[in-house]
Amino acid sequence: DADVTQTPRNRITKTGKRIMLECSQTKGHDRMYWYRQDPGLGLRLIYYSFDVKDINKGEISDGYSVSRQAQAKFSLSLESAIPNQTALYFCATRGGAEETQYFGPGTRLLVL
Amino acid sequence: GESVGLHLPTLSVQEGDNSIINCAYSNSASDYFIWYKQESGKGPQFIIDIRSNMDKRQGQRVTVLLNKTVKHLSLQIAATQPGDSAVYFCAEKLFTDKLIFGTGTRLQVFP
Repeated sequence: DADVTQTPRNRITKTGKRIMLECSQTKGHDRMYWYRQDPGLGLRLIYYSFDVKDINKGEISDGYSVSRQAQAKFSLSLESAIPNQTALYFCATRGGAEETQYFGPGTRLLVL
Repeated sequence: GESVGLHLPTLSVQEGDNSIINCAYSNSASDYFIWYKQESGKGPQFIIDIRSNMDKRQGQRVTVLLNKTVKHLSLQIAATQPGDSAVYFCAEKLFTDKLIFGTGTRLQVFP
């Protein structure tokens, strides 16, 4: 869905490197989320943000940080990447009056 | 494309048949439920949702049924098509803003 874009789509990095995954949306939604997806597991919430000044930890925030640069942009950083952070990462958005979350196309991250 | 889930339960159906995908949710206090479709290499795509005060909701070729007594959710796809092949998973929402996602079922449609 072009309303939610993620860059890069694929990334290979080495252990110890700092990397940033970016998410942008044109839906005008105030709420944004970062999830990771691993084989055999459901999506797990890393961080979420209700607006630019509101950032909240999800269930697996250790090793990650986020920045909400604007209403439309929410970036996820891995401060020092480790191999078990190899996963698919998804950004999602939600409008205040809705319950539904809309997902971006994902970033596949491989940490060597 | 990516493998979303290596060991997911799989439902195989013939093109044109109806499909029923099931989901057991965990919390009786959940008040909202969503079904998503995820094709290989893509992000989850919203299909249909239902609130806990409803038992059934219909969309285009899809129907969601909610049985709160046994905490069960199902997705019915009518006249299944090859383009329906994907992983389908449900999500539930408690009183918080957070969604809890299931692991998914892989739907394979064969001619």
